Amino acid sequence: DGGITQSPKYLFRKEGQNVTLSCEQNLNHDAMYWYRQDPGQGLRLIYYSQIVNDFQKGDIAEGYSVSREKKESFPLTVTSAQKNPTAFYLCASSILPGSSPVRGYTFGSGTRLTVV
Amino acid sequence: QQQVKQSPQSLIVQKGGISIINCAYENTAFDYFPWYQQFPGKGPALLIAIRPDVSEKKEGRFTISFNKSAKQFSLHIMDSQPGDSATYFCAASIKAAGNKLTFGGGTRVLVKP
Repeated sequence: DGGITQSPKYLFRKEGQNVTLSCEQNLNHDAMYWYRQDPGQGLRLIYYSQIVNDFQKGDIAEGYSVSREKKESFPLTVTSAQKNPTAFYLCASSILPGSSPVRGYTFGSGTRLTVV
Repeated sequence: QQQVKQSPQSLIVQKGGISIINCAYENTAFDYFPWYQQFPGKGPALLIAIRPDVSEKKEGRFTISFNKSAKQFSLHIMDSQPGDSATYFCAASIKAAGNKLTFGGGTRVLVKP
Protein backbone atom coordinates (compact mmCIF):
# COMPACT_ATOMS: atom_id res chain seq x y z
CA ASP A 1 0.00 0.00 0.00
CA GLY A 2 1.69 3.18 -1.20
CA GLY A 3 1.60 6.38 0.77
CA ILE A 4 3.35 8.95 2.92
CA THR A 5 4.21 8.31 6.55
CA GLN A 6 4.81 11.18 8.94
CA SER A 7 6.10 10.67 12.44
CA PRO A 8 5.58 11.36 15.20
CA LYS A 9 1.91 12.29 15.17
CA TYR A 10 2.39 14.58 18.17
CA LEU A 11 5.61 16.31 19.22
CA PHE A 12 6.39 18.61 22.11
CA ARG A 13 9.34 20.97 21.99
CA LYS A 14 10.96 22.92 24.77
CA GLU A 15 12.15 26.46 24.25
CA GLY A 16 15.56 26.54 22.52
CA GLN A 17 15.36 22.95 21.34
CA ASN A 18 15.68 21.66 17.79
CA VAL A 19 13.29 18.93 16.71
CA THR A 20 13.10 16.82 13.55
CA LEU A 21 9.91 15.67 11.86
CA SER A 22 10.10 12.56 9.74
CA CYS A 23 8.52 12.10 6.30
CA GLU A 24 8.85 8.91 4.25
CA GLN A 25 7.11 8.01 0.99
CA ASN A 26 6.97 4.78 -1.02
CA LEU A 27 5.16 6.22 -4.02
CA ASN A 28 8.35 6.66 -6.05
CA HIS A 29 7.55 10.38 -6.32
CA ASP A 30 10.38 12.71 -7.25
CA ALA A 31 9.06 15.85 -5.56
CA MET A 32 8.44 16.32 -1.85
CA TYR A 33 7.10 19.30 0.09
CA TRP A 34 6.67 20.59 3.63
CA TYR A 35 3.72 22.80 4.53
CA ARG A 36 2.76 24.48 7.76
CA GLN A 37 -0.92 24.79 8.67
CA ASP A 38 -2.22 27.37 11.12
CA PRO A 39 -5.91 27.96 11.85
CA GLY A 40 -7.52 30.23 9.27
CA GLN A 41 -4.35 30.62 7.20
CA GLY A 42 -4.46 27.64 4.92
CA LEU A 43 -1.23 25.84 4.11
CA ARG A 44 2.03 27.68 3.64
CA LEU A 45 5.05 26.20 1.87
CA ILE A 46 8.20 25.81 3.98
CA TYR A 47 10.58 23.86 1.70
CA TYR A 48 10.37 21.66 -1.34
CA SER A 49 12.65 19.27 -3.20
CA GLN A 50 12.42 17.95 -6.73
CA ILE A 51 15.51 15.76 -6.71
CA VAL A 52 17.83 14.06 -4.25
CA ASN A 53 20.42 16.36 -2.66
CA ASP A 54 18.61 19.48 -3.84
CA PHE A 55 15.91 21.59 -2.20
CA GLN A 56 14.52 25.12 -2.34
CA LYS A 57 13.05 27.52 0.17
CA GLY A 58 9.35 28.14 0.16
CA ASP A 59 7.47 31.16 1.48
CA ILE A 60 8.26 30.68 5.19
CA ALA A 61 11.64 28.88 5.35
CA GLU A 62 13.17 30.96 8.16
CA GLY A 63 13.85 28.84 11.26
CA TYR A 64 13.54 25.55 9.38
CA SER A 65 15.99 23.23 7.63
CA VAL A 66 15.63 20.12 5.48
CA SER A 67 17.68 17.41 3.83
CA ARG A 68 17.02 15.07 0.90
CA GLU A 69 19.62 12.33 1.03
CA LYS A 70 17.24 9.67 -0.27
CA LYS A 71 14.36 9.87 -2.72
CA GLU A 72 12.01 8.38 -0.16
CA SER A 73 12.86 10.66 2.75
CA PHE A 74 12.52 14.42 3.39
CA PRO A 75 12.96 15.24 7.10
CA LEU A 76 12.20 18.72 8.44
CA THR A 77 14.10 20.24 11.37
CA VAL A 78 12.42 23.00 13.33
CA THR A 79 15.25 24.98 14.85
CA SER A 80 15.33 27.21 17.90
CA ALA A 81 15.37 30.16 15.50
CA GLN A 82 11.71 29.51 14.65
CA LYS A 83 9.96 31.79 17.13
CA ASN A 84 6.45 30.46 16.75
CA PRO A 85 6.72 26.77 15.84
CA THR A 86 3.41 25.56 17.28
CA ALA A 87 1.48 24.34 14.23
CA PHE A 88 0.33 21.35 12.22
CA TYR A 89 3.04 20.25 9.76
CA LEU A 90 2.17 18.42 6.58
CA CYS A 91 4.46 16.59 4.21
CA ALA A 92 3.42 15.90 0.62
CA SER A 93 4.82 14.32 -2.50
CA SER A 94 4.04 14.37 -6.22
CA ILE A 95 5.41 13.29 -9.54
CA LEU A 96 7.19 16.00 -11.47
CA PRO A 97 4.80 17.82 -13.86
CA GLY A 98 6.35 16.54 -17.06
CA SER A 99 4.27 14.98 -19.76
CA SER A 100 1.84 13.36 -17.34
CA PRO A 101 -1.40 15.25 -16.65
CA VAL A 102 -1.36 14.00 -13.05
CA ARG A 103 -0.20 16.83 -10.82
CA GLY A 104 -1.95 16.35 -7.54
CA TYR A 105 -0.15 16.00 -4.23
CA THR A 106 -0.41 13.09 -1.83
CA PHE A 107 -0.30 14.30 1.77
CA GLY A 108 0.75 12.54 4.94
CA SER A 109 -1.39 12.61 8.10
CA GLY A 110 0.63 15.40 9.66
CA THR A 111 2.62 16.09 12.81
CA ARG A 112 1.23 18.44 15.45
CA LEU A 113 4.08 20.31 17.10
CA THR A 114 3.55 22.13 20.38
CA VAL A 115 6.03 24.29 22.27
CA VAL A 116 5.92 23.67 26.01
CA GLN B 1 0.95 38.16 -0.22
CA GLN B 2 -2.06 35.94 -0.70
CA GLN B 3 -2.31 34.87 -4.30
CA VAL B 4 -5.39 32.71 -3.83
CA LYS B 5 -8.31 34.10 -1.84
CA GLN B 6 -11.04 31.76 -0.65
CA SER B 7 -14.52 32.49 0.66
CA PRO B 8 -16.47 31.98 2.78
CA GLN B 9 -14.40 30.95 5.80
CA SER B 10 -17.23 28.75 7.04
CA LEU B 11 -20.47 27.42 5.69
CA ILE B 12 -23.47 25.63 7.18
CA VAL B 13 -25.78 23.76 4.82
CA GLN B 14 -28.70 21.40 5.34
CA LYS B 15 -28.45 17.81 4.20
CA GLY B 16 -29.38 17.62 0.55
CA GLY B 17 -28.48 21.25 -0.09
CA ILE B 18 -25.76 22.75 -2.27
CA SER B 19 -22.46 23.95 -0.82
CA ILE B 20 -20.66 26.60 -2.85
CA ILE B 21 -17.09 27.73 -2.17
CA ASN B 22 -15.39 30.43 -4.19
CA CYS B 23 -11.76 31.20 -4.95
CA ALA B 24 -10.10 34.08 -6.75
CA TYR B 25 -6.52 34.20 -7.96
CA GLU B 26 -4.18 36.93 -9.09
CA ASN B 27 -1.42 35.24 -11.05
CA THR B 28 -2.53 34.51 -14.62
CA ALA B 29 0.35 32.05 -15.00
CA PHE B 30 -1.45 29.50 -12.80
CA ASP B 31 -2.32 26.50 -14.94
CA TYR B 32 -3.66 23.92 -12.50
CA PHE B 33 -6.44 24.37 -9.95
CA PRO B 34 -7.12 21.52 -7.50
CA TRP B 35 -9.50 21.28 -4.56
CA TYR B 36 -8.59 19.38 -1.41
CA GLN B 37 -10.76 17.98 1.37
CA GLN B 38 -9.41 17.74 4.89
CA PHE B 39 -10.92 16.01 7.92
CA PRO B 40 -9.79 16.99 11.45
CA GLY B 41 -6.36 15.65 12.34
CA LYS B 42 -5.74 14.32 8.84
CA GLY B 43 -3.84 15.48 5.80
CA PRO B 44 -5.71 16.99 2.84
CA ALA B 45 -6.85 14.65 0.08
CA LEU B 46 -7.23 15.61 -3.56
CA LEU B 47 -10.91 15.92 -4.45
CA ILE B 48 -11.07 17.27 -7.99
CA ALA B 49 -8.92 19.46 -10.23
CA ILE B 50 -9.30 21.57 -13.37
CA ARG B 51 -7.11 23.22 -15.99
CA PRO B 52 -7.83 26.72 -17.39
CA ASP B 53 -8.80 25.44 -20.85
CA VAL B 54 -11.94 23.86 -19.35
CA SER B 55 -14.89 25.81 -17.91
CA GLU B 56 -16.43 23.02 -15.85
CA LYS B 57 -15.53 19.61 -14.51
CA LYS B 58 -17.83 17.24 -12.69
CA GLU B 59 -17.00 14.18 -10.62
CA GLY B 60 -19.96 12.65 -8.86
CA ARG B 61 -21.53 15.27 -6.58
CA PHE B 62 -18.55 17.62 -6.91
CA THR B 63 -18.28 20.21 -9.68
CA ILE B 64 -15.63 22.83 -10.39
CA SER B 65 -16.68 25.92 -12.35
CA PHE B 66 -13.86 27.97 -13.83
CA ASN B 67 -14.03 31.56 -15.13
CA LYS B 68 -10.70 32.46 -16.68
CA SER B 69 -11.58 36.07 -17.54
CA ALA B 70 -12.70 36.78 -13.98
CA LYS B 71 -9.81 34.76 -12.50
CA GLN B 72 -12.23 32.86 -10.33
CA PHE B 73 -13.14 29.24 -9.74
CA SER B 74 -15.61 27.56 -7.44
CA LEU B 75 -16.51 24.21 -5.95
CA HIS B 76 -20.12 23.07 -5.86
CA ILE B 77 -21.10 20.14 -3.65
CA MET B 78 -24.49 18.88 -4.73
CA ASP B 79 -26.82 16.92 -2.42
CA SER B 80 -24.54 17.69 0.54
CA GLN B 81 -24.23 14.89 3.11
CA PRO B 82 -23.11 14.95 6.78
CA GLY B 83 -20.04 12.98 5.68
CA ASP B 84 -19.03 15.98 3.55
CA SER B 85 -18.46 18.01 6.72
CA ALA B 86 -14.80 18.94 6.42
CA THR B 87 -12.47 21.80 5.54
CA TYR B 88 -12.03 22.45 1.84
CA PHE B 89 -9.03 24.16 0.28
CA CYS B 90 -8.64 25.52 -3.20
CA ALA B 91 -5.14 25.76 -4.63
CA ALA B 92 -3.25 26.75 -7.75
CA SER B 93 0.11 25.96 -9.27
CA ILE B 94 2.31 26.66 -12.26
CA LYS B 95 3.81 23.71 -14.10
CA ALA B 96 6.89 25.66 -15.22
CA ALA B 97 7.57 26.77 -11.64
CA GLY B 98 7.83 23.26 -10.26
CA ASN B 99 4.17 22.67 -9.53
CA LYS B 100 4.33 24.28 -6.08
CA LEU B 101 0.80 24.61 -4.77
CA THR B 102 -0.43 27.93 -3.37
CA PHE B 103 -3.43 27.35 -1.13
CA GLY B 104 -6.46 29.41 -0.24
CA GLY B 105 -7.30 29.96 3.42
CA GLY B 106 -9.83 27.13 3.63
CA THR B 107 -13.58 26.82 4.15
CA ARG B 108 -15.03 24.82 7.00
CA VAL B 109 -18.24 23.15 5.81
CA LEU B 110 -20.80 21.75 8.23
CA VAL B 111 -23.67 19.74 6.80
CA LYS B 112 -26.59 19.48 9.21
CA PRO B 113 -28.71 16.32 9.10
